[in-house]
Amino acid sequence: GESVGLHLPTLSVQEGDNSIINCAYSNSASDYFIWYKQESGKGPQFIIDIRSNMDKRQGQRVTVLLNKTVKHLSLQIAATQPGDSAVYFCAENSGGSNYKLTFGKGTLLTVNP
Amino acid sequence: EADIYQTPRYLVIGTGKKITLECSQTMGHDKMYWYQQDPGMELHLIHYSYGVNSTEKGDLSSESTVSRIRTEHFPLTLESARPSHTSQYLCASSESGRGGRNEQFFGPGTRLTVL
Repeated sequence: GESVGLHLPTLSVQEGDNSIINCAYSNSASDYFIWYKQESGKGPQFIIDIRSNMDKRQGQRVTVLLNKTVKHLSLQIAATQPGDSAVYFCAENSGGSNYKLTFGKGTLLTVNP
Repeated sequence: EADIYQTPRYLVIGTGKKITLECSQTMGHDKMYWYQQDPGMELHLIHYSYGVNSTEKGDLSSESTVSRIRTEHFPLTLESARPSHTSQYLCASSESGRGGRNEQFFGPGTRLTVL
């Protein structure tokens, strides 16, 4: 079946370092991907998205890379700050008239001061 | 910040009680969703709606029911709560016609504990 999963369940980095969170997906028909950040006690918050016709998209301190050949998605956070500590989820949408998102298992990012 | 609201934020109730979790959005979005999330785990879709009077069951089987009488309102009801229903329930909404982008905006969630 379709699935989205993360390679690493936890990631600990030093403040100021760059962070990379990875995600694998299995549905080759997926044409849209999102990264969400979820802080404790809150709902997921949109970080950045990318459509399948792109392989890279940059935001403020964040970059998403999409490798459709190996069905891999990554989120890069530059100069990680303590406020970046949260659980990060990738999600995919298989497109067409399907507006549902399939979420992967989260990665807990801990930023050490 | 997304204009999507959920009440209550926390609810502790006894087994057998009927409860309704409220979700409202002021963005005029046509699509709304309910997810169930256990601590530290991924989100599982339990219900969704693509417009007024349209509701569908999600990928995870749930004993809850939903209704969509107004665009902005998507309440979830449990007729008889059980301890197995203890979880966090997240509501989200999205709109069509954004060039293939299906970004969903989430509410803060309701943490439900059934004793």
